[in-house]
This record gives sequence, C-alpha cells and structure tokens, in this order.
Amino acid sequence: GAGVSQSPSNKVTEKGKDVELRCDPISGHTALYWYRQSLGQGLEFLIYFQGNSAPDKSGLPSDRFSAERTGGSVSTLTIQRTQQEDSAVYLCASSLLGGRRETQYFGPGTRLLVL
Amino acid sequence: KNEVEQSPQNLTAQEGEFITINCSYSVGISALHWLQQHPGGGIVSLFMLSSGKKKHGRLIATINIQEKHSSLHITASHPRDSAVYICAVAAYTGTASKLTFGTGTRLQVTL
Repeated sequence: GAGVSQSPSNKVTEKGKDVELRCDPISGHTALYWYRQSLGQGLEFLIYFQGNSAPDKSGLPSDRFSAERTGGSVSTLTIQRTQQEDSAVYLCASSLLGGRRETQYFGPGTRLLVL
Repeated sequence: KNEVEQSPQNLTAQEGEFITINCSYSVGISALHWLQQHPGGGIVSLFMLSSGKKKHGRLIATINIQEKHSSLHITASHPRDSAVYICAVAAYTGTASKLTFGTGTRLQVTL
C-alpha cells in the first residue's frame, strides 16, 4: 500500500552537470505528473503522462528538461546542463485514470540544489 | 493577473478560532483542489470539489462555480493545522487533468 515515492530525496549538483530524478507512482495509477516548486514561488506544472497517450510537455521550461515513463510505471525527469535557477523541489503525483475529477497523490519530492 | 488567486497570503490565528481561506480563479475548470503542505514539504490532498460543499472533520470546503470562487474553512483551529494551504484548479485536457496552483496561504495557529 505504498504511496508515491521519489528518489533521491535530496540532490546537490554542480552547475552544468546532468541530473536524473525518479518517481514511482502508486501501483495501478495510469496518470503521472511532474511539478516544480521553486523557492518563494508556487507550484508549476511540468509534464504529465497518461497511459499510452503522448505526454503533455507544455510545462517544461526549456529543452534541457526531458522526462520519460517506462512500462507505464516509473518515470524519470532528466535535467541536462543544470543551472542555478533549476534549484527547486521537484514533485511527482499520480492519479488512477487521469480523469477530470480525480485526486492526485503527491510524492515527498526531490529537493535539488545546483551550486 | 494569475489564473488562481488566494487570500490571505499569511494568516495567524489563535487556537480555537474559525479560519477562512479564499480562492478565486479566472479560467474554466473541471475541478478545484485544496492541498495542505506541511513544513518539510509533503503535500496532502484535502478536497477535490466540482460543486457545492464537502466536509471532513473540522475542514469544510465550498465552491461557487458561477462566481469562480472557493473557500476553505477550518473550525476550532489547532496548532497542528499550521501549514501552507494551496488552492489548485484542474483543467481536463481529454487525457488528464492539469493543475494550476495558487501561491498558497501560510497559516500559523498559536496556543
């Protein structure tokens, strides 16, 4: 009965390095969402995956950001050539079907610090 | 102007007080969510509303679709209610629901 899990919980990296953030959704949930919460700012949508549909990447802030979801379960968010402004908490959420009125269950987040 | 506006931004209350947090939005939505974020960052979904009113324990959430407004009420507030409360509106794209978030209301309840 595990919830959404994310790893690592904290990541410190140097500017210019690539990072990978992982999300394990709740088993059986077909919709998976990535959000970002920057210091002093609210949450913002990055990308979502739903079943076999093409992902909605409209929230990705630049082409340095990419995400994939393998086998309809685990997702990885990759940030290439990290910049200091990428420092934020990256949150993953999942919902059962991605329906119009569904609760989204959030993971604990990955706190990324780019030095 | 943000699509989702919350007020107040900060709120301090004494234990036992009745608390109201407001959320207004300017876009069409399929649902509205109230979320709670405790220090340490974990986010918990409190309510998902598409009409009317929902109640869970000391928490009550209402929504007026015509006025594009929602309120979260906390009755008999307690220090453990101290957290950031976030309003988020959902737009259904045909495949999934994208959330747009308010900036949050930081609530501190003191003894």
